[in-house]
Amino acid sequence: DIQMTQSPASLSVSVGETVTITCRASENIYSNLAWYQQKQGKSPQLLVYAATNLADGVPSRFSGSGSGTQYSLKINSLQSEDFGSYYCQHFWGTPYTFGGGTKLEIK
Amino acid sequence: QVQLKESGPGLVAPSQSLSITCTVSGFSLTGYGVNWVRQPPGKGLEWLGMIWGDGSTDYNSALKSRLSISKDNSKSQVFLKMNSLQTDDTARYYCARRLTGTWGAMDYWGQGTSVTVSS
Repeated sequence: DIQMTQSPASLSVSVGETVTITCRASENIYSNLAWYQQKQGKSPQLLVYAATNLADGVPSRFSGSGSGTQYSLKINSLQSEDFGSYYCQHFWGTPYTFGGGTKLEIK
Repeated sequence: QVQLKESGPGLVAPSQSLSITCTVSGFSLTGYGVNWVRQPPGKGLEWLGMIWGDGSTDYNSALKSRLSISKDNSKSQVFLKMNSLQTDDTARYYCARRLTGTWGAMDYWGQGTSVTVSS
């Protein structure tokens, strides 16, 4: 099974700052990676698919990058509504493992 | 619009089985795959398995012996059945639609249904 190592596990940041979350796969996943945002008590929401493609309705301050085994989610100029948890997930062969998550908190 | 809604028993006794139904609207189950994901309280997400539009299935190898996913296209329903539940199966269970096309990712999620395993 492919393992997804996500970092950092938590992050305390201020509104307006820029944040980068990373995910490392245990083997090449050929850009078959998605990012999700989950707010407290809510279902996850798709942000990025195929490593770099923004899902419908996602603000342009979010961006995904990476290839091979290393991937990143960048959030420019953080807004108050961006706080919550973020997860990566690969889709290169089952099981489609999630990363451990990153909790983004207000400083 | 696309919607998914899970319905489950809420409370299951240890060693018993769990059955959850995901009722979808706004799309056809013959054209989209549906995944199952769970999240224990305060913890991360775990992919359980999925059923493709053609009815074939994939399962998390760690749970494969206890898990079964099926569907009824005519009723727009997907079913999750898990056997031999233990306390660490306590979680919120979600169904989620897979993106159409080559790339994976889950673009629409249900609200989830909470399952507690307890005597």
